[in-house]
Amino acid sequence: GQQLNQSPQSMFIQEGEDVSMNCTSSSIFNTWLWYKQDPGEGPVLLIALYKAGELTSNGRLTAQFGITRKDSFLNISASIPSDVGIYFCAGSSSNTGKLIFGQGTTLQVKP
Amino acid sequence: EADIYQTPRYLVIGTGKKITLECSQTMGHDKMYWYQQDPGMELHLIHYSYGVNSTEKGDLSSESTVSRIRTEHFPLTLESARPSHTSQYLCASSELERFTDTQYFGPGTRLTVL
Repeated sequence: GQQLNQSPQSMFIQEGEDVSMNCTSSSIFNTWLWYKQDPGEGPVLLIALYKAGELTSNGRLTAQFGITRKDSFLNISASIPSDVGIYFCAGSSSNTGKLIFGQGTTLQVKP
Repeated sequence: EADIYQTPRYLVIGTGKKITLECSQTMGHDKMYWYQQDPGMELHLIHYSYGVNSTEKGDLSSESTVSRIRTEHFPLTLESARPSHTSQYLCASSELERFTDTQYFGPGTRLTVL
């Protein structure tokens, strides 16, 4: 079946640093979504990408839909302690609404 | 912000009990989903629904069952809980945005079976 490879698996950074994480797939997707999950909570949608090459920002977050439609990245600029959590990418290749999730990137920020 | 609710948030129960996890959304979304997630791990789809009276099994096999009698309600039932069912269960619903579905999640139910 389809799989997403998300990297890095975890990151431990200093407050104020920029962060970058990415997802790659062997299949083409027509939608990429990025979620953040806090411990004990459900994932919260950060950014949605619907078109190859699309670059979208949400505050300090920027995400891009790769031109090949097989990858996406998420950047966080000037990280702060509340950025701590697990970040998931998710892709969809059909109009069924079903998503394939990456394995998650655990972000820890040292004040 | 999505209006999707799950109850209970936490449940500790003994082996063999029947349980129902509730999920409701007030957005009128037709599509709804149930995921199972172990701590810090990826999400696995176990059930989904395209609308009233529609239910399908997801990619991960599950002993749970679901029903969709009303658009806003998508409960998940375990007839006889076992320790292997201990996990976090996440409900989501989606709406069509720019010709594709964007899923919004509830807060989850953390189930522990003793």
